[in-house]
Amino acid sequence: AQSVTQLGSHVSVSEGALVLLRCNYSSSVPPYLFWYVQYPNQGLQLLLKYTTGATLVKGINGFEAEFKKSETSFHLTKPSAHMSDAAEYFCAVSENTGNQFYFGTGTSLTVIP
Amino acid sequence: EPEVTQTPSHQVTQMGQEVILRCVPISNHLYFYWYRQILGQKVEFLVSFYNNEISEKSEIFDDQFSVERPDGSNFTLKIRSTKLEDSAMYFCASGGGLGFTEAFFGQGTRLTVV
Repeated sequence: AQSVTQLGSHVSVSEGALVLLRCNYSSSVPPYLFWYVQYPNQGLQLLLKYTTGATLVKGINGFEAEFKKSETSFHLTKPSAHMSDAAEYFCAVSENTGNQFYFGTGTSLTVIP
Repeated sequence: EPEVTQTPSHQVTQMGQEVILRCVPISNHLYFYWYRQILGQKVEFLVSFYNNEISEKSEIFDDQFSVERPDGSNFTLKIRSTKLEDSAMYFCASGGGLGFTEAFFGQGTRLTVV
């Protein structure tokens, strides 16, 4: 079975600072990789995904992530944090179309004014 | 923009009672999922449904759980005899046709078993 590890259950950054949320996965096959965001009392919203092709993918709200196969990582970054970025972020992996998604434990991002 | 809709948003039930959580997936999607998130824990896969049958299920999805797509639009999760530990946020998700990659999630139903 797949596993997804998110280092740091809580991350705090100052407004305007770099956001870096870490995600590592275990997979014996090339995976599909995702970042979802969950705002308080809301569902999961897709931020970005990697399936094939360019390893640096851009998503909504200025976020991007880079797939590094050699490091089995898919870290999420944003150059400049905004107060509205405060939320829970989940990394997820899927082995193939239609397969279940395996989620990490989530990282709660706090943005300090 | 199409979205996955779940009802109710919050349900409180007594232990031992049956509950049905309802979901309306995005209309042209073919894959349907239920996940749950116990407070403070990660999102866990329960079951996936494709072509009118369960395609995959987790260890959590035991005999007290069942899913149905009764009318081509709704997708339901039934918990036959609820336990306290079933208290969680339940998310429905759907995915598109052949070759789709991401799943679209609903807002969730918070189930509280008392």
